Amino acid sequence: DTGVSQNPRHKITKRGQNVTFRCDPISEHNRLYWYRQTLGQGPEFLTYFQNEAQLEKSRLLSDRFSAERPKGSFSTLEIQRTEQGDSAMYLCASSVRENEQFFGPGTRLTVL
Amino acid sequence: QQQVKQSPQSLIVQKGGISIINCAYENTAFDYFPWYQQFPGKGPALLIAIRPDVSEKKEGRFTISFNKSAKQFSLHIMDSQPGDSATYFCAASSLDTGGFKTIFGAGTRLFVKA
Repeated sequence: DTGVSQNPRHKITKRGQNVTFRCDPISEHNRLYWYRQTLGQGPEFLTYFQNEAQLEKSRLLSDRFSAERPKGSFSTLEIQRTEQGDSAMYLCASSVRENEQFFGPGTRLTVL
Repeated sequence: QQQVKQSPQSLIVQKGGISIINCAYENTAFDYFPWYQQFPGKGPALLIAIRPDVSEKKEGRFTISFNKSAKQFSLHIMDSQPGDSATYFCAASSLDTGGFKTIFGAGTRLFVKA
């Protein structure tokens, strides 16, 4: 499968724990995006990378959130000191052009 | 001004019927309007997209109608099939400013009755 992959697919954690998600984009895609989607809502933009450079961060990305894309390949999204409000689906997308974003299946986070 | 408002929240259509989903935006800087289809447990998939220099775009059974003056656009699914049952999201972005910050509507859950 040459699509965007995300791991893990599901994560259950206790409040206060740290979690890290991984996204592997389509190989030739230099642009990578993270979104958060809560139940019954559309995806909300979190952050954007072009190659290894993080060019934009949403106000939604509090200081407990950090994203990296070392060497412009895979990306990780870490949430420190998780809160119940962080429970959501975290989606990664990649593109070779600005407009045509290909989404992964997402990581569903549940914070107990 | 960054919002994209989508309606209806849910839609039930008979097989063979036409499904119509509407979206409205406020930011006139938006210049790219995609529609995404999402099945349960999957990420959104790009279905069809339009730029404001055309009023209509058709791909198979899917048509986007775009009204620039009203700042509205809609998705029409002709001959709707049970396999079309999914959640549909309209979205908007500004390619002139990088296009990476795509704003999504809240989604429409479509159910096509067999």
